[in-house]
Amino acid sequence: AQKVTQAQTEISVVEKEDVTLDCVYETRDTTYYLFWYKQPPSGELVFLIRRNSFDEQNEISGRYSWNFQKSTSSFNFTITASQVVDSAVYFCALSEANNPVGGGADGLTFGKGTHLIIQP
Amino acid sequence: GAGVSQTPSNKVTEKGKYVELRCDPISGHTALYWYRQSLGQGPEFLIYFQGTGAADDSGLPNDRFFAVRPEGSVSTLKIQRTERGDSAVYLCASSLGGRGGEQFFGPGTRLTVL
Repeated sequence: AQKVTQAQTEISVVEKEDVTLDCVYETRDTTYYLFWYKQPPSGELVFLIRRNSFDEQNEISGRYSWNFQKSTSSFNFTITASQVVDSAVYFCALSEANNPVGGGADGLTFGKGTHLIIQP
Repeated sequence: GAGVSQTPSNKVTEKGKYVELRCDPISGHTALYWYRQSLGQGPEFLIYFQGTGAADDSGLPNDRFFAVRPEGSVSTLKIQRTERGDSAVYLCASSLGGRGGEQFFGPGTRLTVL
């Protein structure tokens, strides 16, 4: 069965510091998808990125970057020059694509989240 | 365009009562998902619809929980004989379907069972 572990329950940094949120996953499938979502205090989950298991290329989007390493089953998320508005709970999630029951568009398995606090 | 909407935003009920939670997905999205999020936890998958049919209901905790999507658009999550442990935020998401599709989430319904 799939599993996502976010070992960091809470991280607190001062504004402008860089911060990395860790995500480790477990799956027996060879085809799968990894996601990061942001949940601000308002509560609504906001999609940040999706990665498929065949694409290990790292990605950068503005101050955000993601490091996907299949060898260590990790998909870490780094925020550069953090800002107060980055304060939120961040979730890593996994979707397996080979589940015949789900028809390929499976439900996500989420980690427990990392509460990121950016202090001014 | 409009995002995923959920009603009500808050629902308070008494133990043993029946509740219905509604989800209106993004227009054109064929896949619809229900999740449950308890305090301090990540969302937990409940059920997934592709069109009108439940393609995967393996996450429903027991037979008190049931969901329908009769016309392939709006979905209703139904909980019978509610228990205090059912208190959580119930999230709905929709996507275009297909493997690994981005899921767009609604604001959730906060259910409190007294």
